Amino acid sequence: DTAVSQTPKYLVTQMGNDKSIKCEQNLGHDTMYWYKQDSKKFLKIMFSYNNKELIINETVPNRFSPKSPDKAHLNLHINSLELGDSAVYFCASSQRRGTSIYTFGSGTRLTVV
Amino acid sequence: GENVEQHPSTLSVQEGDSAVIKCTYSDSASNYFPWYKQELGKRPQLIIDIRSNVGEKKDQRIAVTLNKTAKHFSLHITETQPEDSAVYFCAASDSGYSTLTFGKGTMLLVSP
Repeated sequence: DTAVSQTPKYLVTQMGNDKSIKCEQNLGHDTMYWYKQDSKKFLKIMFSYNNKELIINETVPNRFSPKSPDKAHLNLHINSLELGDSAVYFCASSQRRGTSIYTFGSGTRLTVV
Repeated sequence: GENVEQHPSTLSVQEGDSAVIKCTYSDSASNYFPWYKQELGKRPQLIIDIRSNVGEKKDQRIAVTLNKTAKHFSLHITETQPEDSAVYFCAASDSGYSTLTFGKGTMLLVSP
């Protein structure tokens, strides 16, 4: 069983479209995250979600919105996609925020054309 | 917020040599410092971590050192092998509610 699974693995879409990326963890962790990895490999935190408490990185455009139907899922919805949104998006989870080991999903490569 | 600087951005070594990657952090409250390895096309995976009550930690060929006074920590890989080639990320966080802040990564290339 994959501990943190993301779907889809690849996503190619046109500018202006709306898309979602799904993430599920079966580790029983309390906290989930979304990270964006750009072409220079920089891992930038977008959101963290813990017991219904959402912490947003203030630099993330409000076109991005996380949705968590339950503790095991944290989906990422993106409205009005732009070329600059092209990146690899990683979901991760940890037992708790801060000092726990992060388990990453396999990533979703988003290409906006 | 926390800021983590990582150097070098690229490191090329011959197989069998040692490799050292250095990071500095800004928040004196940070007390957890993990290192992640990301192979090409794969997910980042934890390889070693250190907490502020420890100055050095070893696991086979890898070791991490921490200098809290200077706010820097380093990853040491000895007897490098081609399979060590990857991007390595340092990170830092405190014991509160902060998320991990990652450095910008070091691409390590080990030539046979």
